[in-house]
Amino acid sequence: EAQVTQNPRYLITVTGKKLTVTCSQNMNHEYMSWYRQDPGLGLRQIYYSMNVEVTDKGDVPEGYKVSRKEKRNFPLILESPSPNQTSLYFCASSVNLPPSEAFFGQGTRLTVV
Amino acid sequence: EDKVVQSPLSLVVHEGDTVTLNCSYEVTNFRSLLWYKQEKKAPTFLFMLTSSGIEKKSGRLSSILDKKELFSILNITATQTGDSAIYLCAVTGANSKLTFGKGITLSVRP
Repeated sequence: EAQVTQNPRYLITVTGKKLTVTCSQNMNHEYMSWYRQDPGLGLRQIYYSMNVEVTDKGDVPEGYKVSRKEKRNFPLILESPSPNQTSLYFCASSVNLPPSEAFFGQGTRLTVV
Repeated sequence: EDKVVQSPLSLVVHEGDTVTLNCSYEVTNFRSLLWYKQEKKAPTFLFMLTSSGIEKKSGRLSSILDKKELFSILNITATQTGDSAIYLCAVTGANSKLTFGKGITLSVRP
């Protein structure tokens, strides 16, 4: 089954404790991206990647890092999480460019206390 | 900076009504406009539009793009309670970066 898998689905952590949210897709898609969704602000792109070793900043990259060492994986790293990074995070992948029919992961609800 | 504005932000209709959702945009090097439906969690893809004036249709949903006036509409006819969701519009600009609007919350009452 074609899917984008994110882990964990829910995470509560403390300020400053490094964490990684994993994202994996099994469709051999080249384009992958990360979003955060906040009430009243909609979906905002954090980082995206058009292929292995190619990543670019989206609209809200501050406080986040990503890497794309393999085509299928695109982890999101928060080196020193802060409460303003409490949000719902989505990973997505797309078969072509410009991105279309994006497949979204089920989301990660992150709370930083 | 790329910008997407959706309107209205929310609306409530009754089953059987027809609704029109609006999306206007400003983007550098426009490449495509996308519509998604978001129910409980992850958004699901509805349409991708790249050319003006060509209607995309899927069942009771249809969408069209006007690249001259920089907007798109999503129409839903004969609405059902299952159409209740947040509808998201996004545009792809330079370097394939996606920018989303804030979404339109549609509630369909029985």
